[in-house]
Amino acid sequence: NAGVTQTPKFRVLKTGQSMTLLCAQDMNHEYMYWYRQDPGMGLRLIHYSVGEGTTAKGEVPDGYNVSRLKKQNFLLGLESAAPSQTSVYFCASGDRLETQYFGPGTRLLVL
Amino acid sequence: TQLLEQSPQFLSIQEGENLTVYCNSSSVFSSLQWYRQEPGEGPVLLVTVVTGGEVKKLKRLTFQFGDARKDSSLHITAAQPGDTGLYLCAVYDRGSTLGRLYFGRGTQLTVWP
Repeated sequence: NAGVTQTPKFRVLKTGQSMTLLCAQDMNHEYMYWYRQDPGMGLRLIHYSVGEGTTAKGEVPDGYNVSRLKKQNFLLGLESAAPSQTSVYFCASGDRLETQYFGPGTRLLVL
Repeated sequence: TQLLEQSPQFLSIQEGENLTVYCNSSSVFSSLQWYRQEPGEGPVLLVTVVTGGEVKKLKRLTFQFGDARKDSSLHITAAQPGDTGLYLCAVYDRGSTLGRLYFGRGTQLTVWP
């Protein structure tokens, strides 16, 4: 099993550009999450999903949208990137709310 | 106000030394988790403690959950360079509408050869 994979690993965007981060898991988990990690701020939850076709806002959802069209995939979209969205983005999945497995991260730089 | 306070924020030690890092809160939790995040990787779950006073050992790592289930500590014996990483504690926040894991900001540990 590959576990949780994230695409791309690294991306540079200009302010105003859009992009989609892809998270895929092969563990048949119901729950999936998107976090951002910034120095000194820890992991902050952006959006999450409790099942296929469902999404919900987390702690810092502004500027992001998500979709969960297939159980194994969770997409994070930035419609108009801003420098404040420069961060490392982690996807996680789990079969219980209190257990999460993390992907390797996507490093995003917005100029 | 942070739900979980981790200390110290940074720790730099020589190989072979012992160390303890802490995770504190004013709230009571049903369980607490410790993760380690190596450079360039995502966090990996090390242990979950669920009972007040519980002690769990993972090789040279000893985890303790406070009697009142408000705090936890991680002790590493004879640290090695491979222990270098960000150590995060997390709790399952049943009190929030999200019912989600809440992470502390972590302790960045560097072990020098």
